[in-house]
Amino acid sequence: QQPVQSPQAVILREGEDAVINCSSSKALYSVHWYRQKHGEAPVFLMILLKGGEQKGHDKISASFNEKKQQSSLYLTASQLSYSGTYFCGTDGPISNFGNEKLTFGTGTRLTIIP
Amino acid sequence: NAGVTQTPKFRILKIGQSMTLQCTQDMNHNYMYWYRQDPGMGLKLIYYSVGAGITDKGEVPNGYNVSRSTTEDFPLRLELAAPSQTSVYFCASSYEDGAGGTDTQYFGPGTRLTVL
Repeated sequence: QQPVQSPQAVILREGEDAVINCSSSKALYSVHWYRQKHGEAPVFLMILLKGGEQKGHDKISASFNEKKQQSSLYLTASQLSYSGTYFCGTDGPISNFGNEKLTFGTGTRLTIIP
Repeated sequence: NAGVTQTPKFRILKIGQSMTLQCTQDMNHNYMYWYRQDPGMGLKLIYYSVGAGITDKGEVPNGYNVSRSTTEDFPLRLELAAPSQTSVYFCASSYEDGAGGTDTQYFGPGTRLTVL
């Protein structure tokens, strides 16, 4: 049930673009994206809701295709500060209390070199 | 606002010892979560709470217990520590309005636990 991310790792030169994919085997209500730098806590980037809405955050944007149960994160003109591990989180199975749990993906390690 | 705070930052336990990891948030969030993250891996949900007095198991609850007596605090108890519990533990909180879906989760800095 854990979302699968691809690629597992990618190395880019500063200024290059990257795409990180997140794929789920279950129907999704929303997809979240977080970035975690080494030794630090995950930090929220954005949420995408049902409807395929694409959102952006500076030079980072994302799309959500609910029919394909997939989301993609786009990093444009990457900067050194983009280095870290990116996790997608998807709404998990309906619990006793509703749909409050996120299931995090396997992670994608992004390294930006000068 | 301090956000989500966790104590301690580091801890070494011997096999069989017990301890409580503390988590406090000052954002008046109703939902709180405990995750563990093994080296090079993703986040696994241990327990979560939707409000004071209400908790539920996550993906990997065995060997842990939680309680939530106030909105602000959500301690995680490890009983009879085992080497398999060596990990980094993150507490997180969010505000859910009950309309469905999950809102932004704010994470604490983590507690690095080693069991020897």
